[in-house]
Formats: sequence, structure tokens, C-alpha cells
Amino acid sequence: DADVTQTPRNRITKTGKRIMLECSQTKGHDRMYWYRQDPGLGLRLIYYSFDVKDINKGEISDGYSVSRQAQAKFSLSLESAIPNQTALYFCATSESGTHEAFFGQGTRLTVV
Amino acid sequence: GNSVTQMEGPVTLSEEAFLTINCTYTATGYPSLFWYVQYPGEGLQLLLKATKADDKGSNKGFEATYRKETTSFHLEKGSVQVSDSAVYFCALSEWRLTDKLIFGTGTRLQVFP
Repeated sequence: DADVTQTPRNRITKTGKRIMLECSQTKGHDRMYWYRQDPGLGLRLIYYSFDVKDINKGEISDGYSVSRQAQAKFSLSLESAIPNQTALYFCATSESGTHEAFFGQGTRLTVV
Repeated sequence: GNSVTQMEGPVTLSEEAFLTINCTYTATGYPSLFWYVQYPGEGLQLLLKATKADDKGSNKGFEATYRKETTSFHLEKGSVQVSDSAVYFCALSEWRLTDKLIFGTGTRLQVFP
């Protein structure tokens, strides 16, 4: 089983719909991150959490929200999806002080 | 702010050719530097890292040396294989400030037999 699991793996949704992407980890790491990947832009940080009570905005947080339900779970929500949120979304974890991030397999989201 | 710049792809090589993918960075303080690899349909995996100047990271035949004087961390491999075809991301982490990873835009490598 994967250490960092994202669900769903693929999703097509309509403009204006609310959608949640989920991430769970079995690595016991305290830090979790949400990134989006777009062609030619690399990975950009949406939100990050250093522990259950610590949530921080990344460089592109507008239109997104997150919830850290437990140390092992970090979900990303699009309150009202729009087509330019079509992208590949990655969850990642790390242990404080190690600098190495472990990534899930990604969720491909298409907003039509 | 902190940033990473890497060469645009795709890089197309024949099997057993020498590979260089350039990466330069801008950062305050003392960043750690990383190369991540993304194989088709998968998430990113750490390939190698270096945490201080003049360190050399190596893994699976790939190497990169942390050059503070030129703010670079170029990825090299002496003889590529078809199985090395992937997207390679250079990244930095300013761990004393935030521990976040800042990625370059990625370079696609295509190796043909």
C-alpha cells in the first residue's frame, strides 16, 4: 500500500460544483502539503500544514480551502470549481527538519 | 523571493548518451537542494539531495553538486537508459524559515533506444 494515498485519482466536475480531494498518510509525518501541477509551471504550493492546528496559505490559495482532520489526513476543497482549476493535484508529507517530501500519486481534476 | 530556474525541455537523447540538466537558484540563507523525478502517471520521488555547499548528491547513477559560488545544482548522468525517461524537477528548501519546497518548472527527458 502507498504511504501517501490520494482519492479520487481522477475526477471530472462541472463549473460551480464543490469538490473535495482527500489525502491520507501512514508515514507518521507531521507536515502535509497540497500542490498543483500545470504544464510549464511546475508545482505550486496551495496550502501547507505543519501540524493539526497549524494551517498556512501557499502561493496560490485563492479559490481553495483545506482541513487537517487528523495528523494523517489533509483534505483540499474547491468551494466553487472553475475551469482554470483543471490540473494535477498532489499531496505530500514531510517530517520536520528532514526536508524530504513524499508525494501521493496525484489527482487529475477536470472542471468543465 | 526564493526561486528555482531549470532548463526547458524536452531533452531528447539516445541511450548511453551523457545527460546534463541545468538548475540555478535564488535564495536567502542556506537552502537545501533537491532533484525529484516524476515517471509517467506517478507522483514525484526524491532522486538526490545536498544540504550544504560543495556536497554532492548521488543516486542511480545521477549526480549533482551544490555550487554556492554559481548558485547551481546541475543534474548529470554519464550514460542514460530508456528507463530514465521522466520529468525531472529541481527544488530548494529554506528549512530555517519555512521548510517548504520550491520547485522549478520541470524538464522532460526522453531517451530513445
